[in-house]
Amino acid sequence: QKEVEQDPGPLSVPEGAIVSLNCTYSNSAFQYFMWYRQYSRKGPELLMYTYSSGNKEDGRFTAQVDKSSKYISLFIRDSQPSDSATYLCAMNTGNQFYFGTGTSLTVIP
Amino acid sequence: GAGVSQTPSNKVTEKGKYVELRCDPISGHTALYWYRQSLGQGPEFLIYFQGTGAADDSGLPNDRFFAVRPEGSVSTLKIQRTERGDSAVYLCASSLSPGANEQFFGPGTRLTVL
Repeated sequence: QKEVEQDPGPLSVPEGAIVSLNCTYSNSAFQYFMWYRQYSRKGPELLMYTYSSGNKEDGRFTAQVDKSSKYISLFIRDSQPSDSATYLCAMNTGNQFYFGTGTSLTVIP
Repeated sequence: GAGVSQTPSNKVTEKGKYVELRCDPISGHTALYWYRQSLGQGPEFLIYFQGTGAADDSGLPNDRFFAVRPEGSVSTLKIQRTERGDSAVYLCASSLSPGANEQFFGPGTRLTVL
């Protein structure tokens, strides 16, 4: 079993839709939970990170962590064509970071 | 300011050859990471440097892979006797301090082994 599981999609939504991206994990030692956005042929870019269970909001993005279920989510409100990218979840124990496979998102104008 | 840079952006080599991939981290960042990303996969941890020393190299797949960071800044990932299975994008990331969750990634080096 992989440390981090993420549905690769692809996911296609109309502009303005609410997008929900999810990951599950198996290691209860994971401390921080991160979401990255990766455009084609670019390096990942950190969107948000959270530590505790609960919600964290930043503009149109909300990150949610449920440690009891080992489940994290990223919600994108009012999605835009510029949000089209691959979204990677990541989590760490100390200095080792584990990434999901990424979910490919396309927002159709 | 300047971000993480990696050179070359693309490298095509033949099976059995030796390659070096270079990473220039953000100035002042003490922690440096190398990852490998295969098509359709997330980045896979290879090695982590704190300063000049490799603090964790447990992700290196075998002894054909080696990385150095002699002056605590620029790092080079070295691959000997390349194999077709080494083809991937090699990503470098740096962070201000060890364990800092904000890693800044470079654009990667796309390695193709023919």
